[in-house]
Amino acid sequence: SYGLTQPPSVSVAPGETAQIPCEGDNLHRRGVHWYKQRPGQAPVLVVRYTTDRPSGIPERFSGSDSGSTATLTITRVEADDEADYSCQVWDSDSDQVVFGGGTRLTVL
Amino acid sequence: QVQLQESGPGLVKPSETLSLTCTVSSGSINKSFWSWIRQSPGKGLEWIAYIFSNGDTTYNTSLKSRVTISIDTSKNQFSLKVYSVTAADTAVYYCARHAGEAVGYGIDFWGQGTTVIVS
Repeated sequence: SYGLTQPPSVSVAPGETAQIPCEGDNLHRRGVHWYKQRPGQAPVLVVRYTTDRPSGIPERFSGSDSGSTATLTITRVEADDEADYSCQVWDSDSDQVVFGGGTRLTVL
Repeated sequence: QVQLQESGPGLVKPSETLSLTCTVSSGSINKSFWSWIRQSPGKGLEWIAYIFSNGDTTYNTSLKSRVTISIDTSKNQFSLKVYSVTAADTAVYYCARHAGEAVGYGIDFWGQGTTVIVS
């Protein structure tokens, strides 16, 4: 079955840039979606189709991909960015919706 | 904008059936894909199943034998049943909508989630 791999945690100082990777086979051929989830709250879509930012999401959030890795980048990190971030794709070969394990972003 | 609200028992006994309903408001349930997703304590998100408004369904292969998703467009609701539950089914259950008219789009609306404990 198709799988997405994320590091359990990433730490960054306020004002710095955070990069959260998501690895999967042929990821560059798939639309990768990213979600931000604060404790006790539902996820919020912050990047769709690898690079597109939904309305209302700050420009500090951006996405990219290269080969088998998609990356969520958050520039000028703020304390409010501290949350879990999960990547997600739809595997058309198996018709399965797949989530990565999630990465806890800690703002130091 | 679309709002989703899960409802159902918060406590289910082992071996029994977990039943949840998602009510969609401020928007139509038609021409969209709808999913159930869960999150076990301290774990990541796990997709369970999705259904299109015409009733077409797809299940997570690891849960397929124990799960049924259904839709009632007249009530703007869709539902989930998980059979023969165990402690491993303890989780926060979310209902959600896929953006656009394709399951490959991102999930743009989520319910607040409902906690189900199997004990």
